[in-house]
Amino acid sequence: KQEVTQIPAALSVPEGENLVLNCSFTDSAIYNLQWFRQDPGKGLTSLLLIQSSQREQTSGRLNASLDKSSGRSTLYIAASQPGDSATYLCAGTLGGSQGNLIFGKGTKLSVKP
Amino acid sequence: DTEVTQTPKHLVMGMTNKKSLKCEQHMGHRAMYWYKQKAKKPPELMFVYSYEKLSINESVPSRFSPECPNSSLLNLHLHALQPEDSALYLCASSQDGRVYGYTFGSGTRLTVV
Repeated sequence: KQEVTQIPAALSVPEGENLVLNCSFTDSAIYNLQWFRQDPGKGLTSLLLIQSSQREQTSGRLNASLDKSSGRSTLYIAASQPGDSATYLCAGTLGGSQGNLIFGKGTKLSVKP
Repeated sequence: DTEVTQTPKHLVMGMTNKKSLKCEQHMGHRAMYWYKQKAKKPPELMFVYSYEKLSINESVPSRFSPECPNSSLLNLHLHALQPEDSALYLCASSQDGRVYGYTFGSGTRLTVV
């Protein structure tokens, strides 16, 4: 069974701290991995998309990496701010998923002022 | 236009009502998706339309009926829903999810009373 797992489930950090969110997947035949942000009761905002041929992608204070061989991806957030508080979802387009997204359960991030 | 637009944003309906959710995109994407998301859970795939044809139906009850009138528009017709169907309904689109990833709308918050 294809699965995407995220740890931790919740994370609370003081403002200004650098942090890492983790994502693992079971299928090495991955097409890409996408990180989303979701605010309470809202839709999904795409943060970064990493193709299987890439090792990392960067956007502002965000950096996402992909290691196919170990089945892992990380989202690094530098100099966290209270506005970063949200749930972060990792989703993979895996080889056996007919091109559809497989979601992790998310990490709920709280950045304290 | 790089958005997926969903209407309405909120909907309250009785168990005997018939209502429809609407999703629209003008990015030229040829695949459109309906997801259901319960509180504190990741989105679950309901339906996939590819080139205006239903390609995946994840064993969703018949009280949910999708329709894709054209490549830019996706509807979800609701009839005789149950209170447990209350959730956030998300629409997404992609040109080819394996290459370009997915774009999500802001969702419709549905409450069945």
